[in-house]
Amino acid sequence: DQQVKQNSPSLSVQEGRISILNCDYTNSMFDYFLWYKKYPAEGPTFLISISSIKDKNEDGRFTVFLNKSAKHLSLHIVPSQPGDSAVYFCAASARRRIQGAQKLVFGQGTRLTINP
Amino acid sequence: KAGVTQTPRYLIKTRGQQVTLSCSPISGHRSVSWYQQTPGQGLQFLFEYFSETQRNKGNFPGRFSGRQFSNSRSEMNVSTLELGDSALYLCASSSGDTLNTEAFFGQGTRLTVV
Repeated sequence: DQQVKQNSPSLSVQEGRISILNCDYTNSMFDYFLWYKKYPAEGPTFLISISSIKDKNEDGRFTVFLNKSAKHLSLHIVPSQPGDSAVYFCAASARRRIQGAQKLVFGQGTRLTINP
Repeated sequence: KAGVTQTPRYLIKTRGQQVTLSCSPISGHRSVSWYQQTPGQGLQFLFEYFSETQRNKGNFPGRFSGRQFSNSRSEMNVSTLELGDSALYLCASSSGDTLNTEAFFGQGTRLTVV
């Protein structure tokens, strides 16, 4: 049972444009969401997170939006740069659950390619 | 501040053997989690250790085990290796606070079982 889903395995965007990566979840216990970026042969790098009490969090070129009613979150990158080319994973955790904070449930990832 | 260090980076083992992977978390972090990444299953949570105790566990067979030492360093052991255990094993370090879930990953250990 895939509790966190990234339905687009790949996305191609022109440099300078906006990249939008989507993620859906099914478990209503999730109350904290994170985005990670991963290059080949490296571990995931933390990008940005959002608590379920918010609907938007912004950090530089990265903005995460959360729609709790739709159980959907998205990561916006603007403007997109060639160095953004990587695999992006969304992850969720259930912090309200006892000892549930550290168990991250990941989506399958979306490979983002930024074309010059 | 040094990041998360995993050793070794690469490992080749034979079916039936056992293997031990090591993870040194970020200084001051008390929580270490382990994940398995495979092309088919993505990133799957194995277990989490906090203050030398296993605090959370994923859905993996008992062949997968771990421990944490008093200095927060952690080891993961896989016994009776199977071909399907070939994967990238990632260790994540975090403070362990309930409200602080940002986990910082090491570069991983690439295990190949032949």
